[in-house]
Parts: sequence; C-alpha cells; structure tokens
Amino acid sequence: DAKTTQPTSMDCAEGRAANLPCNHSTISGNEYVYWYRQIHSQGPQYIIHGLKNNETNEMASLIITEDRKSSTLILPHATLRDTAVYYCIVGDYKLSFGAGTTVTVRA
Amino acid sequence: NAGVTQTPKFQVLKTGQSMTLQCAQDMNHEYMSWYRQDPGMGLRLIHYSVGAGITDQGEVPNGYNVSRSTTEDFPLRLLSAAPSQTSVYFCASSPYGGADTQYFGPGTRLTVL
Repeated sequence: DAKTTQPTSMDCAEGRAANLPCNHSTISGNEYVYWYRQIHSQGPQYIIHGLKNNETNEMASLIITEDRKSSTLILPHATLRDTAVYYCIVGDYKLSFGAGTTVTVRA
Repeated sequence: NAGVTQTPKFQVLKTGQSMTLQCAQDMNHEYMSWYRQDPGMGLRLIHYSVGAGITDQGEVPNGYNVSRSTTEDFPLRLLSAAPSQTSVYFCASSPYGGADTQYFGPGTRLTVL
C-alpha cells in the first residue's frame, strides 16, 4: 500500500479555510485518496475521496495534483466542531490509517 | 437503520482469558473489517471480510481470529488475551469496498491486565 505523509498538527482560526496537505508520492494508478476524520475518541468519519479529479461535497473539497503525488483537503469555513484528527489514506478497500494531522480550530 | 453496532463498549480481561468482540451491521454491506487503535496512534487493520464466508488478514492479525457466517455479523475473537492487546477496537462496514466509504462503529475499549 502507498504511504502518506501529513503534518503532525495545525491550528486554524474559526471561520477561515483550513488547508490540510498530504503527500503520497508512491500512489499507484488505481488507488484512491480518502480523507477521514476522528473527533475525540469516536469512530472515524468519512469526509471525501477522489481518484484524479478534484472533488467537492457538503463537508469539504479535495484537490489532487496532476501527478497525483499530493493532495489538499480544504475545509472552507472551519468551525470549532471541526477540531479533530484528519487522516489522509491511499489504497483500496484495505485502508491503512497513519497518525494523521491533529487540527485545532480556535475561536 | 442502526448502522454499525459493537458490543461491549468496555471490557477488562485478565491475561490469558479469551473473549469475542461483537460487530453487526444492518445495511447489507458486503465488506467488513476490524481495526485497533492504540493511544496516540492511527488505526491498524486486523482482519477484513469481503463477504460471507470470506475473510483475510490485515496488518496486525496475530492473536485474533474472525469468521463471517452471515452478512450482518463479523465477530473478533481474542484467543488468549495479552496486555499488548489493550486498545480500542473499531469495526467498520462498506457496501463493497473499493472507493466506497466505510462506516465505523463506536468502538470497544479493551483493557488486558
């Protein structure tokens, strides 16, 4: 499975956009990029996924570079409830979660 | 729909004891999986199943057994509990794997003394 690299932590101001980077330089052609988040000690929650094209849903946008070696998750208007650990995952159905990025949204 | 349910929520075992963590889903999902999460760490895949009667090992399968006799249920058995198995266990299900989302249960917090 391809591995990902994410910053350990980042802060974001409430109401501002949060841009979460992820590097996945060894991704193979049929592997998707998934983003999940885990709030406190709950089960992870799906956010968005994509293969090549940029994607947007009601929660976030996913920007994947043309060479597919990196991506950025964008939370357009961060709220305090978006404070969580965000996981960038590359693979098929055998998802492998790394340590993720701890995002703290501050008032 | 109840989604993915896990029982028990909390469990304390002594070293050497065995037990089964239960996982059930009512969404008719084919794919189910078990993860463990150690403190401050991400989730690691223990075992997974792509359908009834089919199971396979994930990243950290040692010390655990699974079976999938029905689409709905995917129990995880600890054969002889060890302190290293102290963790939070999450079960997840997905319609048919691939690019589909996975729905996670609330987790079982297991302590092995």
